[in-house]
Amino acid sequence: KQEVTQIPAALSVPEGENLVLNCSFTDSAIYNLQWFRQDPGKGLTSLLLIQSSQREQTSGRLNASLDKSSGRSTLYIAASQPGDSATYLCAVSGGGADGLTFGKGTHLIIQP
Amino acid sequence: NAGVMQNPRHLVRRRGQEARLRCSPMKGHSHVYWYRQLPEEGLKFMVYLQKENIIDESGMPKERFSAEFPKEGPSILRIQQVVRGDSAAYFCASSLPGAFRNEQFFGPGTRLTVL
Repeated sequence: KQEVTQIPAALSVPEGENLVLNCSFTDSAIYNLQWFRQDPGKGLTSLLLIQSSQREQTSGRLNASLDKSSGRSTLYIAASQPGDSATYLCAVSGGGADGLTFGKGTHLIIQP
Repeated sequence: NAGVMQNPRHLVRRRGQEARLRCSPMKGHSHVYWYRQLPEEGLKFMVYLQKENIIDESGMPKERFSAEFPKEGPSILRIQQVVRGDSAAYFCASSLPGAFRNEQFFGPGTRLTVL
């Protein structure tokens, strides 16, 4: 059974810092990995999708990497802004499951 | 191109009543997924459907829960005889055919409160 773990569970940093969020998964037989953002009381916004054959994806200040063999992904946020404050979720497709398997998220606060 | 639509956004039911949650996928998407987010827990997969077919319902509770995605109209998640433990946010996602490799797009969710 696929399990996804996100570290840290919570993070608070001053505005302007670069930061890294970590995600690990137990079954490397994945099709893809998605990073999402969830604001309080809201739905999920897809940030980046990395196919299993890819090593990284970039969108603006966000960069996500994938090391499938070791079961790890990182989300790098450059020059953080208060508007980046949200919960960031990592999810994988495959590994024996038809739906996405989610981690519990990293709750990020960017201090102005 | 409208995104995934869910309604109602908020639903209040008393114990024993039925809850019906609706999801309209993005235009051109034929695959629908339902997830549940319990308070203080992560999102959990419930069911995966294509038009007129349930592909995987391994995450659905064995009783009281059912889902459908008819040829015409939205996907429906139905919860019969709701209990307080059903209170949660229910999210729907959709994707293009070739589901496993495609990005899933999520709706805003329906927040169910059972009194």
